[in-house]
Amino acid sequence: NAGVTQTPKFRVLKTGQSMTLLCAQDMNHEYMYWYRQDPGMGLRLIHYSVGEGTTAKGEVPDGYNVSRLKKQNFLLGLESAAPSQTSVYFCASSSAGRVVAEAFFGQGTRLTVV
Amino acid sequence: TQLLEQSPQFLSIQEGENLTVYCNSSSVFSSLQWYRQEPGEGPVLLVTVVTGGEVKKLKRLTFQFGDARKDSSLHITAAQPGDTGLYLCAGLNSGGSNYKLTFGKGTLLTVNP
Repeated sequence: NAGVTQTPKFRVLKTGQSMTLLCAQDMNHEYMYWYRQDPGMGLRLIHYSVGEGTTAKGEVPDGYNVSRLKKQNFLLGLESAAPSQTSVYFCASSSAGRVVAEAFFGQGTRLTVV
Repeated sequence: TQLLEQSPQFLSIQEGENLTVYCNSSSVFSSLQWYRQEPGEGPVLLVTVVTGGEVKKLKRLTFQFGDARKDSSLHITAAQPGDTGLYLCAGLNSGGSNYKLTFGKGTLLTVNP
């Protein structure tokens, strides 16, 4: 039972490099999210998607882009990495159509930008 | 932006002690969720409270939602080392969208043997 899988788990980038983080869920969830977690800052929403082909900005979207071409996948892209993007990134998914939906999280991607 | 403030930010106690952590906001939420996160892992849902004044118990953990649905508390009785972790509260926006979770900054709990 995979749930939410993030790849890669660790990555070191040089300033200005680009990369894509992949999130895959096998629970047929409609909603998917990308959060970043920094010390003392909790989880901050970067972008989210309420369905295949749709995306929306969260609290801290600058410097990131996302795509959801398939229902099960949600990609987070960094076009030109900056040291301020050093963080732990979490992907999550939840189901639609319920009053309260539990968010299921991946194990995180630890990104360091040098 | 609906903000959730958690207190205390850090808590270190001895095994067997009781503790309470708080989650407060000036905004009304349709529901509040509590998650627990262990090092190197993603958060895992503990409980969801929906109704103002609601109290839910999960073994030694007691969760309460404020009457006005702006705040919540988590009380742990006779804490054990296995309770160590980061406790996060998260609110779901009221007024329509049930998909946008707003997280507090968390309470890092350490229970010493």
